[in-house]
Amino acid sequence: AAGVIQSPRHLIKEKRETATLKCYPIPRHDTVYWYQQGPGQDPQFLISFYEKMQSDKGSIPDRFSAQQFSDYHSELNMSSLELGDSALYFCASSWDRGVNYGYTFGSGTRLTVV
Amino acid sequence: AQSVAQPEDQVNVAEGNPLTVKCTYSVSGNPYLFWYVQYPNRGLQFLLKYITGDNLVKGSYGFEAEFNKSQTSFHLKKPSALVSDSALYFCAVRAIYNAGNMLTFGGGTRLMVKP
Repeated sequence: AAGVIQSPRHLIKEKRETATLKCYPIPRHDTVYWYQQGPGQDPQFLISFYEKMQSDKGSIPDRFSAQQFSDYHSELNMSSLELGDSALYFCASSWDRGVNYGYTFGSGTRLTVV
Repeated sequence: AQSVAQPEDQVNVAEGNPLTVKCTYSVSGNPYLFWYVQYPNRGLQFLLKYITGDNLVKGSYGFEAEFNKSQTSFHLKKPSALVSDSALYFCAVRAIYNAGNMLTFGGGTRLMVKP
Protein backbone atom coordinates (compact mmCIF):
# COMPACT_ATOMS: atom_id res chain seq x y z
CA ALA A 1 0.00 0.00 0.00
CA ALA A 2 1.15 3.50 -0.75
CA GLY A 3 2.48 5.48 2.18
CA VAL A 4 3.28 9.09 2.86
CA ILE A 5 6.46 9.98 1.01
CA GLN A 6 8.79 12.67 2.23
CA SER A 7 11.83 14.04 0.51
CA PRO A 8 14.64 14.41 1.06
CA ARG A 9 15.29 11.94 3.87
CA HIS A 10 18.26 13.94 5.10
CA LEU A 11 19.24 17.54 4.54
CA ILE A 12 22.23 19.52 5.76
CA LYS A 13 22.12 23.30 5.50
CA GLU A 14 24.15 26.17 6.85
CA LYS A 15 22.78 28.94 9.04
CA ARG A 16 20.81 31.56 7.16
CA GLU A 17 20.24 29.26 4.20
CA THR A 18 16.83 28.13 2.98
CA ALA A 19 15.39 24.63 2.81
CA THR A 20 12.39 23.09 1.12
CA LEU A 21 10.84 19.88 2.38
CA LYS A 22 8.34 17.95 0.31
CA CYS A 23 5.50 15.66 1.28
CA TYR A 24 3.41 13.42 -0.94
CA PRO A 25 0.32 12.20 0.93
CA ILE A 26 -1.48 8.95 0.44
CA PRO A 27 -3.67 9.16 -2.69
CA ARG A 28 -7.16 10.50 -1.95
CA HIS A 29 -6.14 11.80 1.45
CA ASP A 30 -7.40 15.34 1.67
CA THR A 31 -5.48 16.69 4.67
CA VAL A 32 -1.76 17.13 5.21
CA TYR A 33 -0.11 17.96 8.53
CA TRP A 34 3.43 19.07 9.29
CA TYR A 35 5.14 18.31 12.59
CA GLN A 36 8.56 19.20 13.98
CA GLN A 37 10.32 16.85 16.39
CA GLY A 38 13.39 18.24 18.08
CA PRO A 39 16.01 15.95 19.63
CA GLY A 40 14.45 14.03 22.50
CA GLN A 41 11.16 15.86 22.15
CA ASP A 42 7.63 15.00 21.14
CA PRO A 43 6.32 16.03 17.72
CA GLN A 44 5.01 19.59 17.67
CA PHE A 45 2.28 20.55 15.24
CA LEU A 46 3.28 23.21 12.73
CA ILE A 47 0.55 23.60 10.13
CA SER A 48 -2.08 21.66 8.22
CA PHE A 49 -3.90 21.89 4.90
CA TYR A 50 -7.32 20.61 3.93
CA GLU A 51 -8.17 20.48 0.25
CA LYS A 52 -5.25 22.79 -0.55
CA MET A 53 -6.31 25.46 1.91
CA GLN A 54 -4.55 26.15 5.18
CA SER A 55 -6.61 24.44 7.85
CA ASP A 56 -4.86 25.17 11.11
CA LYS A 57 -1.68 26.70 12.35
CA GLY A 58 0.44 25.67 15.30
CA SER A 59 3.84 26.74 16.50
CA ILE A 60 5.26 27.53 13.09
CA PRO A 61 7.86 30.32 12.99
CA ASP A 62 7.27 33.27 10.68
CA ARG A 63 10.41 32.21 8.79
CA PHE A 64 8.57 29.09 7.68
CA SER A 65 5.83 28.87 5.12
CA ALA A 66 3.97 26.00 3.57
CA GLN A 67 1.48 25.28 0.86
CA GLN A 68 -0.42 22.42 -0.69
CA PHE A 69 -0.51 22.11 -4.45
CA SER A 70 -3.16 20.99 -6.89
CA ASP A 71 -1.81 17.43 -6.84
CA TYR A 72 -2.13 17.50 -3.01
CA HIS A 73 1.57 17.35 -2.34
CA SER A 74 2.80 19.87 0.19
CA GLU A 75 6.02 21.79 0.65
CA LEU A 76 7.45 23.33 3.79
CA ASN A 77 9.74 26.24 3.04
CA MET A 78 12.17 27.32 5.71
CA SER A 79 14.24 30.49 5.39
CA SER A 80 17.00 32.10 7.45
CA LEU A 81 17.71 28.76 9.03
CA GLU A 82 18.90 28.68 12.62
CA LEU A 83 20.74 25.98 14.54
CA GLY A 84 17.58 25.38 16.55
CA ASP A 85 15.72 24.38 13.41
CA SER A 86 17.67 21.12 13.38
CA ALA A 87 14.99 18.50 13.85
CA LEU A 88 13.05 15.66 12.31
CA TYR A 89 10.18 17.03 10.25
CA PHE A 90 7.21 14.75 9.79
CA CYS A 91 4.41 14.98 7.35
CA ALA A 92 1.17 13.11 7.93
CA SER A 93 -1.96 12.74 5.87
CA SER A 94 -5.50 11.74 6.63
CA TRP A 95 -8.89 11.22 5.08
CA ASP A 96 -12.21 11.58 6.79
CA ARG A 97 -10.54 13.99 9.23
CA GLY A 98 -8.65 11.06 10.69
CA VAL A 99 -11.80 9.70 12.30
CA ASN A 100 -12.07 6.21 10.89
CA TYR A 101 -8.70 5.71 9.29
CA GLY A 102 -6.43 7.72 11.52
CA TYR A 103 -3.35 9.53 10.40
CA THR A 104 -0.45 8.11 8.43
CA PHE A 105 2.98 9.56 8.99
CA GLY A 106 5.90 9.68 6.62
CA SER A 107 9.40 8.63 7.66
CA GLY A 108 10.40 12.23 8.12
CA THR A 109 13.10 14.54 6.84
CA ARG A 110 16.02 15.02 9.17
CA LEU A 111 17.25 18.57 8.84
CA THR A 112 20.64 19.46 10.26
CA VAL A 113 21.63 23.12 10.36
CA VAL A 114 25.34 23.73 10.81
CA ALA B 1 -6.90 23.27 24.35
CA GLN B 2 -5.92 19.65 24.29
CA SER B 3 -2.95 18.03 26.00
CA VAL B 4 -1.45 14.66 26.75
CA ALA B 5 0.72 13.56 29.64
CA GLN B 6 2.96 10.54 29.68
CA PRO B 7 4.27 10.50 33.24
CA GLU B 8 7.11 8.05 32.69
CA ASP B 9 10.12 8.95 30.57
CA GLN B 10 11.17 5.31 30.52
CA VAL B 11 9.64 1.96 31.36
CA ASN B 12 11.82 -1.08 31.92
CA VAL B 13 10.39 -4.57 31.71
CA ALA B 14 11.76 -8.06 31.34
CA GLU B 15 10.94 -10.05 28.24
CA GLY B 16 7.81 -12.14 28.73
CA ASN B 17 6.43 -9.90 31.45
CA PRO B 18 3.37 -7.69 30.96
CA LEU B 19 3.98 -4.04 30.17
CA THR B 20 2.00 -0.86 30.72
CA VAL B 21 2.78 2.56 29.31
CA LYS B 22 0.69 5.28 30.89
CA CYS B 23 -1.15 8.13 29.22
CA THR B 24 -3.61 10.71 30.50
CA TYR B 25 -5.26 13.36 28.42
CA SER B 26 -7.13 16.62 28.65
CA VAL B 27 -9.57 17.69 25.95
CA SER B 28 -12.83 19.55 25.61
CA GLY B 29 -15.56 17.06 24.91
CA ASN B 30 -14.98 13.51 23.79
CA PRO B 31 -11.54 12.47 22.61
CA TYR B 32 -10.00 10.55 19.79
CA LEU B 33 -6.99 8.76 21.26
CA PHE B 34 -4.04 7.20 19.49
CA TRP B 35 -0.84 5.34 20.23
CA TYR B 36 2.15 5.54 17.91
CA VAL B 37 5.53 3.82 18.12
CA GLN B 38 8.80 5.26 16.87
CA TYR B 39 11.94 3.24 16.24
CA PRO B 40 15.31 5.00 16.01
CA ASN B 41 15.55 7.30 13.00
CA ARG B 42 12.16 6.16 11.79
CA GLY B 43 8.74 7.68 11.38
CA LEU B 44 5.76 7.28 13.64
CA GLN B 45 3.96 3.98 13.18
CA PHE B 46 0.30 3.67 14.11
CA LEU B 47 -0.50 1.10 16.80
CA LEU B 48 -4.13 1.63 17.71
CA LYS B 49 -6.85 4.18 18.23
CA TYR B 50 -9.98 4.75 20.28
CA ILE B 51 -12.87 6.52 18.65
CA THR B 52 -15.95 5.10 20.31
CA GLY B 53 -17.33 1.77 21.43
CA ASP B 54 -15.53 -0.79 23.57
CA ASN B 55 -13.17 0.72 26.07
CA LEU B 56 -10.58 -1.98 25.35
CA VAL B 57 -8.98 -1.44 21.98
CA LYS B 58 -6.78 -4.02 20.32
CA GLY B 59 -4.05 -2.95 17.95
CA SER B 60 -0.96 -4.05 16.09
CA TYR B 61 1.74 -6.40 17.41
CA GLY B 62 -0.37 -7.64 20.32
CA PHE B 63 -0.79 -4.23 21.93
CA GLU B 64 -4.02 -3.05 23.46
CA ALA B 65 -5.17 0.03 25.31
CA GLU B 66 -7.95 0.74 27.73
CA PHE B 67 -9.93 3.94 27.58
CA ASN B 68 -11.05 5.14 30.99
CA LYS B 69 -13.21 8.22 30.73
CA SER B 70 -13.48 8.88 34.46
CA GLN B 71 -9.72 8.82 34.86
CA THR B 72 -9.09 10.45 31.47
CA SER B 73 -6.54 7.75 30.75
CA PHE B 74 -5.59 5.59 27.78
CA HIS B 75 -2.85 3.26 29.01
CA LEU B 76 -1.07 1.03 26.52
CA LYS B 77 -0.66 -2.61 27.51
CA LYS B 78 0.76 -5.86 26.27
CA PRO B 79 0.48 -9.20 28.09
CA SER B 80 3.96 -10.41 27.20
CA ALA B 81 6.73 -8.04 26.18
CA LEU B 82 9.29 -8.79 23.46
CA VAL B 83 12.78 -7.36 23.16
CA SER B 84 11.72 -6.05 19.74
CA ASP B 85 9.07 -3.90 21.44
CA SER B 86 11.84 -1.64 22.70
CA ALA B 87 11.10 1.75 21.16
CA LEU B 88 9.67 5.19 21.86
CA TYR B 89 5.91 5.28 22.36
CA PHE B 90 3.73 8.33 21.91
CA CYS B 91 0.17 8.84 23.02
CA ALA B 92 -1.84 11.41 21.07
CA VAL B 93 -5.24 13.03 21.34
CA ARG B 94 -7.57 15.22 19.39
CA ALA B 95 -11.02 16.43 20.28
CA ILE B 96 -13.85 15.02 18.24
CA TYR B 97 -15.01 18.51 17.36
CA ASN B 98 -11.57 19.95 16.80
CA ALA B 99 -11.93 21.87 13.59
CA GLY B 100 -8.23 21.67 12.91
CA ASN B 101 -8.09 17.90 13.19
CA MET B 102 -4.49 17.90 14.32
CA LEU B 103 -3.09 15.53 16.90
CA THR B 104 -1.42 16.65 20.10
CA PHE B 105 1.30 14.31 21.30
CA GLY B 106 2.55 13.44 24.73
CA GLY B 107 6.23 13.66 25.57
CA GLY B 108 6.87 10.03 24.75
CA THR B 109 7.87 7.03 26.86
CA ARG B 110 10.90 4.95 26.06
CA LEU B 111 10.19 1.26 26.54
CA MET B 112 13.18 -0.95 27.27
CA VAL B 113 12.55 -4.68 27.20
CA LYS B 114 15.47 -6.73 28.50
CA PRO B 115 16.07 -10.38 27.69
